[in-house]
Amino acid sequence: ETGVTQSPTHLIKTRGQQVTLRCSSQSGHNTVSWYQQALGQGPQFIFQYYREEENGRGNFPPRFSGLQFPNYSSELNVNALELDDSALYLCASSLVAGGPGEQYFGPGTRLTVT
Amino acid sequence: AQKITQTQPGMFVQEKEAVTLDCTYDTSDPSYGLFWYKQPSSGEMIFLIYQGSYDQQNATEGRYSLNFQKARKSANLVISASQLGDSAMYFCAMSERYSGGYQKVTFGTGTKLQVIP
Repeated sequence: ETGVTQSPTHLIKTRGQQVTLRCSSQSGHNTVSWYQQALGQGPQFIFQYYREEENGRGNFPPRFSGLQFPNYSSELNVNALELDDSALYLCASSLVAGGPGEQYFGPGTRLTVT
Repeated sequence: AQKITQTQPGMFVQEKEAVTLDCTYDTSDPSYGLFWYKQPSSGEMIFLIYQGSYDQQNATEGRYSLNFQKARKSANLVISASQLGDSAMYFCAMSERYSGGYQKVTFGTGTKLQVIP
């Protein structure tokens, strides 16, 4: 059973650019959630995907968007990058979308916007 | 109001001693889950323990136990026999159902635990 993987590990972008982060869910998990963790803070929920559709979103602007593919892998896209987007981006997979249950996190992608 | 409150920004514990990390939560959803995660300096969020709101007994996983007091809305993590490798940030988190059926997990601000030899 493979765990959650993310790529790339680190990324440096310039303000105004666009970025795509990737996540591969744990085997058998059909739900993926994305989180933003700024330095010194807890992760903040961005959105969740279940069966290729977004079924929940936190307080993030539309320039944060995502995709989930039939194999349950996922992408997080951020357009028009701002300096405050610098953070660790975590994805988490889980088996059940609609109820409380364990979420397993990937190692994260550290994004730096200059 | 904060959904998850961790009042201890930092804690020290002697190696081999037990330590309790505090967490209180706020929700009106009767069905929710409570988690503890460990985040070492590498950044990866490591799942430690889970407690469902309807679980009658406190969850235990090896040296980790969750002291669940539903009426007080607290979910403290107890680490027994601390080891140097336990030094890390610890996050308490809660999952709730939202309209549309999705599960949102809210994290606290974390407690930095340092184990002293």
